[in-house]
Amino acid sequence: AQSVTQLGSHVSVSEGALVLLRCNYSSSVPPYLFWYVQYPNQGLQLLLKYTSAATLVKGINGFEAEFKKSETSFHLTKPSAHMSDAAEYFCAVSELNTGFQKLVFGTGTRLLVSP
Amino acid sequence: EAGVAQSPRYKIIEKRQSVAFWCNPISGHATLYWYQQILGQGPKLLIQFQNNGVVDDSQLPKDRFSAERLKGVDSTLKIQPAKLEDSAVYLCASSLVGRSPLHFGNGTRLTVT
Repeated sequence: AQSVTQLGSHVSVSEGALVLLRCNYSSSVPPYLFWYVQYPNQGLQLLLKYTSAATLVKGINGFEAEFKKSETSFHLTKPSAHMSDAAEYFCAVSELNTGFQKLVFGTGTRLLVSP
Repeated sequence: EAGVAQSPRYKIIEKRQSVAFWCNPISGHATLYWYQQILGQGPKLLIQFQNNGVVDDSQLPKDRFSAERLKGVDSTLKIQPAKLEDSAVYLCASSLVGRSPLHFGNGTRLTVT
């Protein structure tokens, strides 16, 4: 079965600093990978997705992620943090089970941004 | 386009009571998912529908949880009887076929006392 591991349940950065949220995956087949963001009391919103095309994926709000097969990683980055980026971030891997997609989530990383 | 609609937003019940959650997916989305998100954890898939058929319910506690998707559109998730450990946010999501991204509703926060 496929899985993802997110290192660090909390990450704190200052406004304007680099954001790096780590995600490693385990998959026996080429994976589809996703990053979702969750603001308080809201559902999950898709930030970006990797679907075996370009290894550097750009998403919304200035975020991007790079797929590295040799490291089985899909880390999320943003060059300069903004206060509005404070939220919970989830990495997910897509299983394709009998032709239907099943999304498996990591445990999440809470991003804290200080002024 | 309208997003995934869920109701109610919040529900507080006592243990051993029953509760039901409702979800209306994005129009045209054939696949519907119910996820359970316990505080501090990532969402865990409970059940997945393709149109009105169940694709995966391997992690659904079938002794107390049930779900249906009549006519392949709206869906209802029921818990009967509820336990303290069922306190969580229940998220509904929908997607087109294949590996298209999931679109999530805002969830229903259930507190069991």
